[in-house]
Amino acid sequence: NAGVTQTPKFQVLKTGQSMTLQCAQDMNHEYMSWYRQDPGMGLRLIHYSVGAGITDQGEVPNGYNVSRSTTEDFPLRLLSAAPSQTSVYFCASSYYTSGARVTQYFGPGTRLLVL
Amino acid sequence: AQKITQTQPGMFVQEKEAVTLDCTYDTSDQSYGLFWYKQPSSGEMIFLIYQGSYDEQNATEGRYSLNFQKARKSTNLVISASQLGDSAMYFCAMREGIYNQGGKLIFGQGTELSVKP
Repeated sequence: NAGVTQTPKFQVLKTGQSMTLQCAQDMNHEYMSWYRQDPGMGLRLIHYSVGAGITDQGEVPNGYNVSRSTTEDFPLRLLSAAPSQTSVYFCASSYYTSGARVTQYFGPGTRLLVL
Repeated sequence: AQKITQTQPGMFVQEKEAVTLDCTYDTSDQSYGLFWYKQPSSGEMIFLIYQGSYDEQNATEGRYSLNFQKARKSTNLVISASQLGDSAMYFCAMREGIYNQGGKLIFGQGTELSVKP
């Protein structure tokens, strides 16, 4: 298994440009999430999905769109990039269980710089 | 609202000594899960250890253990016999509820641990 993969690893955008951060997992996990990591603030949840066709907002959803047409893929779209979106973006996946002892599997991250 | 607080931005420890990283949390839910992740300089997030709110025993995973004090709402990570490879950022995280509700986690700000030879 490749686990959770993210592309690209690094991206530079100009203000106002749009782009899509790709995330894929091959573990057949129902749940997928996007987080952003800023210095001194830990990771914050942007959007998450509990299954194909179902998404919801997290703590910091403004400026980002998501969709989930398949179990495997969960792309994150920046419609009009702003310097405030400069961050490291992590995608994560996990499976459903009735127990709480389930960790998330994180991708390697995408570093985004918006000029 | 749920919140995770890590009050130690940076910590130093001598190699082979034990170190404790603090984490306090705030939640009104009776059921929740607490996680610790390690993030080395390479950037990946590595799961270390988990504690459930109903677990009666403190969690232990190799050199990692938790000092879980439910009444004080704290879950401190203890790393025994520190190694140079333990130098990294450490994050405490929480998920409310018994069930894995979409995998949502709330993270603390992190503690940067440096192990000295």
